[in-house]
Amino acid sequence: NAGVMQNPRHLVRRRGQEARLRCSPMKGHSHVYWYRQLPEEGLKFMVYLQKENIIDESGMPKERFSAEFPKEGPSILRIQQVVRGDSAAYFCASSSDRGRNQPQHFGDGTRLSIL
Amino acid sequence: AQSVTQLGSHVSVSEGALVLLRCNYSSSVPPYLFWYVQYPNQGLQLLLKYTSAATLVKGINGFEAEFKKSETSFHLTKPSAHMSDAAEYFCAVSESGNQFYFGTGTSLTVIP
Repeated sequence: NAGVMQNPRHLVRRRGQEARLRCSPMKGHSHVYWYRQLPEEGLKFMVYLQKENIIDESGMPKERFSAEFPKEGPSILRIQQVVRGDSAAYFCASSSDRGRNQPQHFGDGTRLSIL
Repeated sequence: AQSVTQLGSHVSVSEGALVLLRCNYSSSVPPYLFWYVQYPNQGLQLLLKYTSAATLVKGINGFEAEFKKSETSFHLTKPSAHMSDAAEYFCAVSESGNQFYFGTGTSLTVIP
């Protein structure tokens, strides 16, 4: 299966710890997007990255959140000093090209729970 | 500004009945529109997309959607519901190519 791979599927952290979420895009895709889904809500855009570059981070909280997509390896969404409000499902998507008509292909998500 | 409104957070239909899930959008440029389906504990799967070609778009699993510019709508339909169609459905609009704007979703229940 060459789909978008996210790990871990479930992650439990205590308040104040760090959470690292990984995303490997579909083969041949160089555009990665991160979204957050809260219960009973749709997906909210967080950040758009292309290899080694952040293209649009307009949806990222200003503090504690960061994302990277290195030349080699998966994209990482990092949340420092987690709080209860960070509990959500985090989805990664990838596309083969940039453009309004390019569908985004989603992974199965990481469900983050904060104790 | 771009946004998506999905009327009806929960829709129930009988097996074999027509499925109609509503989506209205606002966009400052001609929109590209998408419908996705999400099964429990899974990611979103693309059902279909409108990218300024034919206004009636056919997707997977027997679903189709019609783009109506005058009504700013992109409603999703299926002539006959199947039990396996029970899921969460999301409408999305792409304006800049950087991100999708999603509606809050419609949960479809199929009654046997």
